[in-house]
Amino acid sequence: GQQLNQSPQSMFIQEGEDVSMNCTSSSIFNTWLWYKQDPGEGPVLLIALYKAGELTSNGRLTAQFGITRKDSFLNISASIPSDVGIYFCAGRGEYGNKLVFGAGTILRVKS
Amino acid sequence: GAGVSQSPRYKVAKRGQDVALRCDPISGHVSLFWYQQALGQGPEFLTYFQNEAQLDKSGLPSDRFFAERPEGSVSTLKIQRTQQEDSAVYLCASSSGAEQFFGPGTRLTVL
Repeated sequence: GQQLNQSPQSMFIQEGEDVSMNCTSSSIFNTWLWYKQDPGEGPVLLIALYKAGELTSNGRLTAQFGITRKDSFLNISASIPSDVGIYFCAGRGEYGNKLVFGAGTILRVKS
Repeated sequence: GAGVSQSPRYKVAKRGQDVALRCDPISGHVSLFWYQQALGQGPEFLTYFQNEAQLDKSGLPSDRFFAERPEGSVSTLKIQRTQQEDSAVYLCASSSGAEQFFGPGTRLTVL
């Protein structure tokens, strides 16, 4: 079945640093979504990408939909303590509406 | 409310018991999804409804899992004869397009 490889698995960074994480797939996706999940809560949508090559920002977050449609990255600039959490990429394929998720990137920020 | 709600938030069941998990989607959202999230993993697709029609149930792990959405709004995920491997967080999401919005989840623990 479809699988997403998300890296890194975890990161421990200093407050104020920039963060980058990415997702790759062996399959093509039509939509890439990035979510953040806090402990005990459901995933919260951060950014949605719809076109190959698209670069979208949401505050300190920037995400890109890869040209091959098989990858995406998320950047967080000037990280702050509340950025702590688990970040998931998710892809929606050409057929069907379900999302396929990566295993997540755990972000820890040292203040 | 404005978001997806789920109840109960926590459920402890003895092995062999039946459980029912409820999802109230965002008002007006046609599509409703159920996902299962094991500890330390990303959510995995279970089933998808468009209005009251269950269009995809390919992710349901066994015939002990059953979902319904009889009036095209509230949905119930039922698990019969629960097993320890059913312990997970069950997430519901609704959408009116490509973006899916998640509820807080129900954490099921089977003893």
